[in-house]
Amino acid sequence: ILNVEQSPQSLHVQEGDSTNFTCSFPSSNFYALHWYRWETAKSPEALFVMTLNGDEKKKGRISATLNTKEGYSYLYIKGSQPEDSATYLCAFDSGGGADGLTFGKGTHLIIQP
Amino acid sequence: EAGVTQFPSHSVIEKGQTVTLRCDPISGHDNLYWYRRVMGKEIKFLLHFVKESKQDESGMPNNRFLAERTGGTYSTLKVQPAELEDSGVYFCASSQGFPGDRTMETQYFGPGTRLLVL
Repeated sequence: ILNVEQSPQSLHVQEGDSTNFTCSFPSSNFYALHWYRWETAKSPEALFVMTLNGDEKKKGRISATLNTKEGYSYLYIKGSQPEDSATYLCAFDSGGGADGLTFGKGTHLIIQP
Repeated sequence: EAGVTQFPSHSVIEKGQTVTLRCDPISGHDNLYWYRRVMGKEIKFLLHFVKESKQDESGMPNNRFLAERTGGTYSTLKVQPAELEDSGVYFCASSQGFPGDRTMETQYFGPGTRLLVL
């Protein structure tokens, strides 16, 4: 059974502050790591697909890093805005599409004005 | 381009009834996945279609769940008879799949169907 852990479970951040959270995953049978941003009642939005150890990806104020040897990924948000409030999900991909993704429970981020 | 769509958005049924959920993937996507999120828990994989073929249904909870993808386009997930523990959000996702290019294997999710079994 694959274990994907995200921490913290929830996070309150003041508007304008930067923040980061963690996804840990098995270091064996790694194919890719996916990050999603999910607002309740909407579709989870794909942020990044990360595949190589040392990968760094950026999308606006959001960036992510990947360490496959030790099995973790960080997601960073710079200068948080109220619209960043969402649940951030990471998902471990061991099969490159042949298998389903294994998700963590998510980090619920609330940006306080 | 239209994203993944799911119907209905919500369904409230009584224990023992039947419910059918529908997913329309992004046009041209051969891969279609069903997932479920039970309240308070993580999103869990149910099954995977490649075109009309079931590639992996290891996540299906039991034989009360039946998924089909006739013609390799839209898919349906039927729960019959529904039980209380089937309540949750059922997501569908699709991907195009480019063997050898992992970064192109993003799974695009629909908004989900919220199922409540009373």
